[in-house]
Amino acid sequence: NAGVTQTPKFRVLKTGQSMTLLCAQDMNHEYMYWYRQDPGMGLRLIHYSVGEGTTAKGEVPDGYNVSRLKKQNFLLGLESAAPSQTSVYFCASSSTGTDQPQHFGDGTRLSIL
Amino acid sequence: SQQGEEDPQALSIQEGENATMNCSYKTSINNLQWYRQNSGRGLVHLILIRSNEREKHSGRLRVTLDTSKKSSSLLITASRAADTASYFCATSGNTPLVFGKGTRLSVIA
Repeated sequence: NAGVTQTPKFRVLKTGQSMTLLCAQDMNHEYMYWYRQDPGMGLRLIHYSVGEGTTAKGEVPDGYNVSRLKKQNFLLGLESAAPSQTSVYFCASSSTGTDQPQHFGDGTRLSIL
Repeated sequence: SQQGEEDPQALSIQEGENATMNCSYKTSINNLQWYRQNSGRGLVHLILIRSNEREKHSGRLRVTLDTSKKSSSLLITASRAADTASYFCATSGNTPLVFGKGTRLSVIA
């Protein structure tokens, strides 16, 4: 099993460009999450989903949109990238609840110039 | 916020020594979890301790939880160079997991 797979692993964007980060999990988990990790800030939750077709805002949702059209996939979109969105983005999933252990992908390193 | 806060921010020890990291939080929780992150990788779940538990063991890991003090500690015994990583606590309550900023552990061979 691959677990949680994130694509791409690295990306450089110019300010104002858009892009979509893809997260796929093969564990049949209901819950999926998107985090950003910045130096000295720990992990901050952007958006999450408690099941196919659902999304909810986390701590830092502004500037991002998400979609969960299929249970195994969770997409994170940046409509108009800003330098403040330069970060490492992590996707995670959990099986039965938001308080359960999460399985993480290895991250997408995104630089906005 | 119920965010956990780890202490110390960084810790450097010799191989074979024990490493202790602490986590403090602010509000009531359902459980508290510890994760490890190796450089350039995602977080890996280590152990979960429920709010009605006081101590839990997993291999060389020992976790304690004191809900009256709103604190937890992670002890790694007989550390190895491979334990070098960042360690995060995460608390769960009425919201999804909230992660602390982590403790960076360096184990010197």
